[in-house]
Amino acid sequence: DVKVTQSSRYLVKRTGEKVFLECVQDMDHENMFWYRQDPGLGLRLIYFSYDVKMKEKGDIPEGYSVSREKKERFSLILESASTNQTSMYLCAVHGGQVNYEQYFGPGTRLTVT
Amino acid sequence: AQSVTQLDSQVPVFEEAPVELRCNYSSSVSVYLFWYVQYPNQGLQLLLKYLSGSTLVESINGFEAEFNKSQTSFHLRKPSVHISDTAEYFCAVSALSGSARQLTFGSGTQLTVLP
Repeated sequence: DVKVTQSSRYLVKRTGEKVFLECVQDMDHENMFWYRQDPGLGLRLIYFSYDVKMKEKGDIPEGYSVSREKKERFSLILESASTNQTSMYLCAVHGGQVNYEQYFGPGTRLTVT
Repeated sequence: AQSVTQLDSQVPVFEEAPVELRCNYSSSVSVYLFWYVQYPNQGLQLLLKYLSGSTLVESINGFEAEFNKSQTSFHLRKPSVHISDTAEYFCAVSALSGSARQLTFGSGTQLTVLP
């Protein structure tokens, strides 16, 4: 199985701050994803990446950007944090075309005040 | 595009009783189907999946789900639940899109097992 780690479990930031959330996998998988999870809305895809320096917008990319300079690391960036970005952020890695499942990190609970 | 509907946001059930969590999906192409479970303060873990073959799939902890193509459903069932099954359950579908395999999630069902 793929091990997915996220840089912080809990984070508190102020409105207008630049926020970096990092995700690291311990394998060599190509596809990585960032979701946000809100009560009653399930998981919504923000961005995904299918290779180094390659990225595509998901369903809710506004206010976010991403960076993937190395295959094992996928970063989510909030350029100027706002209170409506308070949420749980989950990183996932697609395990390839053998089992088709995504492996998730433990999540980062971000509070913007 | 795909969509997933989980009609029940909360399901309370007594310990040792049976439970069914409902999932319906819509898609114009063939899909793979998944159930994920999220225990408090944790990330999501795969519970079971349907890729092909037998329409009835089982997990190691007693859950099962049946793919019904005509009804576009993938309901999750367990004949006898335990307190430790209390968690949020997400149904998801996947179809090839662009260069990566994306998942579309339902809004989740909170299963609470009561003593």
